[in-house]
Amino acid sequence: QKEVEQDPGPLSVPEGAIVSLNCTYSNSAFQYFMWYRQYSRKGPELLMYTYSSGNKEDGRFTAQVDKSSKYISLFIRDSQPSDSATYLCAFLMFSGGYNKLIFGAGTRLAVHP
Amino acid sequence: DSGVTQTPKHLITATGQRVTLRCSPRSGDLSVYWYQQSLDQGLQFLIQYYNGEERAKGNILERFSAQQFPDLHSELNLSSLELGDSALYFCASSVEEGLYGYTFGSGTRLTVV
Repeated sequence: QKEVEQDPGPLSVPEGAIVSLNCTYSNSAFQYFMWYRQYSRKGPELLMYTYSSGNKEDGRFTAQVDKSSKYISLFIRDSQPSDSATYLCAFLMFSGGYNKLIFGAGTRLAVHP
Repeated sequence: DSGVTQTPKHLITATGQRVTLRCSPRSGDLSVYWYQQSLDQGLQFLIQYYNGEERAKGNILERFSAQQFPDLHSELNLSSLELGDSALYFCASSVEEGLYGYTFGSGTRLTVV
């Protein structure tokens, strides 16, 4: 079993739709949960960050973490063409005295006008 | 601009050659991380430095090496290059242990022909 499972998509939605992106994980040592957005030919940029179960909202974005089910989600409301990118879930853990950030494979999202 | 600077942006070289990728971290960040991103492997962690010292190693080949200099910039050296080494190489930096995520540069696209 992979440590992180993320559907690679692609996911295509019309402008204004609600988008749901998901990741499951198997490692209970993951302590911090993040979502990165990566535009084509650019580096990943941090979108959302949380460390507890529950929801965290930032504008049109909501990150949800369910530690008991080892499942995290990112919701995008009122999606825009500018949201078209690859979204990567990421998990931070501490092991052997150092931190380790592990990424999912990424989901490609296309929002069409 | 994320504040993490990577040079060069693009590199084309032949098999068997050696190249050096350079990274300047965001001001104030002591930790530097190198990642490799290819189509079939996603973002793979290679190596981490903290304030000039190697902190952790990931899936880094023996043909690859890195270092972090006193001014905190880092270099990733790739030698005896093979076609399969063609990928995007990202540098990221963070404050301390990366509790608030990593900041990524725009990457170096390496093509081995």
